[in-house]
Amino acid sequence: QQPVQSPQAVILREGEDAVINCSSSKALYSVHWYRQKRGEAPVFLMILLKGGEQKGHEKISASFNEKKQQSSLYLTASQLSYSGTYFCGTERGIQGAQKLVFGQGTRLTINP
Amino acid sequence: DAGVTQSPTHLIKTRGQQVTLRCSPISGHKSVSWYQQVLGQGPQFIFQYYEKEERGRGNFPDRFSARQFPNYSSELNVNALLLGDSALYLCASSLVVGQGLYEQYFGPGTRLTVT
Repeated sequence: QQPVQSPQAVILREGEDAVINCSSSKALYSVHWYRQKRGEAPVFLMILLKGGEQKGHEKISASFNEKKQQSSLYLTASQLSYSGTYFCGTERGIQGAQKLVFGQGTRLTINP
Repeated sequence: DAGVTQSPTHLIKTRGQQVTLRCSPISGHKSVSWYQQVLGQGPQFIFQYYEKEERGRGNFPDRFSARQFPNYSSELNVNALLLGDSALYLCASSLVVGQGLYEQYFGPGTRLTVT
């Protein structure tokens, strides 16, 4: 089941903050966040596991609410380089393949 | 260190033809996954291979097949191409950093156009 991301698009001025949400109707084991710029491959930002463990880039913060099956990505003091489409990818279990199911994406535009 | 590499970068094929896409993972990564990304959508999982064995398969027809070689590189084959197969095909290699914890790195992709 594909996770649902919100908002679908957001426009900010440089320095402003943004929150991108990723929700699933099924219980999740992990949530992964990626940023993709136009014409480029998705770039790994962070992985969050059920139970609280997480690993990612220093300047990125995110949360995983296991009760709500929702993850949020926090972008603070946004920079022009943050522009792109953000995808969350979810997994329901640790067994088996590293099979991420991606959301439809959130397009973030940062203006000077 | 070199990232994930894919070849070719772009490819144009006609309906009914067959295509082979290639991927070399980051050195030290033993897992390779393939995704299809249609314009405006998130990547969709096709296959994962680990140590030359298929670990998972997405909801794709049997026209799609893949394999992984002893050096961990991988090929994705698509037979009897359809117009709907036009997409960006992404390869990703993974580094396990803990129990259930891994980082997945994508290659630049192969843009396949079927006419």
